[in-house]
Amino acid sequence: NAGVTQTPKFQVLKTGQSMTLQCAQDMNHNSMYWYRQDPGMGLRLIYYSASEGTTDKGEVPNGYNVSRLNKREFSLRLESAAPSQTSVYFCASRFRNTEAFFGQGTRLTVV
Amino acid sequence: QQQVKQSPQSLIVQKGGIPIINCAYENTAFDYFPWYQQFPGKGPALLIAIRPDVSEKKEGRFTISFNKSAKQFSLHIMDSQPGDSATYFCAASRGNDMRFGAGTRLTVKP
Repeated sequence: NAGVTQTPKFQVLKTGQSMTLQCAQDMNHNSMYWYRQDPGMGLRLIYYSASEGTTDKGEVPNGYNVSRLNKREFSLRLESAAPSQTSVYFCASRFRNTEAFFGQGTRLTVV
Repeated sequence: QQQVKQSPQSLIVQKGGIPIINCAYENTAFDYFPWYQQFPGKGPALLIAIRPDVSEKKEGRFTISFNKSAKQFSLHIMDSQPGDSATYFCAASRGNDMRFGAGTRLTVKP
């Protein structure tokens, strides 16, 4: 039972570098999400996708792009990383307005 | 603008105590209110959830109290145990949009 799988688990980037965080789910869920978690700020929504081919901005979309490649996969791209993007990133998926399942997270440090 | 406000930020109780975590929301269109539990190094996992047509839901030692008119809901943990030490997040959801509170770090001392 894989659930939601995120890669990589850890990453260190230099300011200005780019990278893509990968997320895949095997539960046939329609909705997928990217959150960032910072101390004292909880989980803040970056982008979400209600279905394949659609994406919507969340609370903190600036500096990020997303792609819903197919029903299983939802990637998050940082085009030019900044120290303010140092965070733990979580991908989640769910079926409509029900329980969300989270991945294990990606700990990103931008130096 | 935070749509879900959670308090307190941290909480320490003795084993057997009843910690209470509170959340308030702004958008009356929200219609699903889950609580998630997160252990260090792990992703959040659903603990218990409620919909606005009921005022209370209990699952084992965990209870959600919901006050629709006040736009508030809370989590109570009965007979708390050291294994309950974790970060707890409330959330509010409508359709595909799901927003979280800032989290409460709970410590249960033996």
